[in-house]
Parts: sequence; C-alpha cells; structure tokens
Amino acid sequence: AQKITQTQPGMFVQEKEAVTLDCTYDTSDQSYGLFWYKQPSSGEMIFLIYQGSYDEQNATEGRYSLNFQKARKSANLVISASQLGDSAMYFCAMREGMNTGGFKTIFGAGTRLFVKA
Amino acid sequence: EAGVAQSPRYKIIEKRQSVAFWCNPISGHATLYWYQQILGQGPKLLIQFQNNGVVDDSQLPKDRFSAERLKGVDSTLKIQPAKLEDSAVYLCASSPQSSSYEQYFGPGTRLTVT
Repeated sequence: AQKITQTQPGMFVQEKEAVTLDCTYDTSDQSYGLFWYKQPSSGEMIFLIYQGSYDEQNATEGRYSLNFQKARKSANLVISASQLGDSAMYFCAMREGMNTGGFKTIFGAGTRLFVKA
Repeated sequence: EAGVAQSPRYKIIEKRQSVAFWCNPISGHATLYWYQQILGQGPKLLIQFQNNGVVDDSQLPKDRFSAERLKGVDSTLKIQPAKLEDSAVYLCASSPQSSSYEQYFGPGTRLTVT
C-alpha cells in the first residue's frame, strides 16, 4: 500500500501566484512527521518544511506553508508568490518510528512544478 | 560548514560489473543514509547507519548490494554484480542523530548500467 501519495505528476503556476501541491499519507502511528523537499534539476534534495503530528499550528517557512489536516491525512504544501526559481520536483515525505527504535523516512513519487513567466 | 560529499558524480558500467560509491557526511553527524532514486520516482531508503551500526537495511538487495561505515564517519556503497535495473541516482544523506528530523543530502551519484 502507498504510504505517501502525490496525485499531481505535474503542475503549472503563473509567476507571483500561489500554488498548492497535494500530499496524502497513510500511517497507523500516533507520532510521525511530515516533510517537503525540493529537488531542482541539479539533483540535490533541499529541505523545505517539517510538521510534527502533534503540532497544532500549521508549519510555515517563509513563502512555504504546510496545510496539515490530520483527520484527512493530508499535508499539502502551499507556495505563495511563486518565483521562476521554484520550478523543480517537490517530494512529500513521512517519518515513522521503527520497531528497532529508530526512524524511517518514506518519500512520495513527487510533483514537478513549472513556474511560467 | 561543509555539506555532504559524494563521489563519483557520474558512473557508467556494463551489467555484471561492480561499482562503489563513497560518501562523507557532515562532520559530527551520527546518522547516515543511502537512498536509491530511480528516474521519475522518489528516493527509496536502502540502508541507515547510526554511527557504525546498521539501523535499517530492510530494502537493501543484500545479494548484490553491500554498505559499510567504518569508524562511524565515511561510508561506501557497493554493487556487485550490477544489473540494468540498478541504473539510478544514489543519494547519501546525514543527520545529527536518528531522532533529528532534518536530513542533509549530498549531490548524488548517477549510475548508468548498460
């Protein structure tokens, strides 16, 4: 079963507009974390934002905010005032505890965002 | 602060050959991860080290893949023998502890198996 689902393979947004990238997750754990990473064409993975399952407020980091709806098991990324440099792949990820005591991070398939001038 | 270093950046080999990748994590980071990212997919965790011990290697194809982290610092990932389906980008990441939620990724090694 898919743990992380990103249903939008590709998205287009006009420069300076806001865009929402969808992510739903599946877990039976009470304690978990949700992330978004950006991967430009150069290939490096860049951490954007983190939301803990017990955090009551939605996480925000500059132009990035995470719309966390726990009952719906969704963790959508909102990018405000899109810039041309935001064109990249975006991955949603979830961290769960393991029986061994450590943590494991699982990534979705990604959404490619294209920002139009 | 220096980031995660990986080498080589690119490698082309024929199937059934062997290959090794090297990763140097951020200084002081106890946890090191190797991910495989096949084109068009998200990264998949292959192995996770805490210092020089293995925390999780449940998705590592152990018949052909091996990894070690001697002295709890640098790590090498080896494939022997390589198959066509091993063509991917191999990403190394590190974090201060396994409980740390942020992972710092290296630039990756792009492997092409012909």
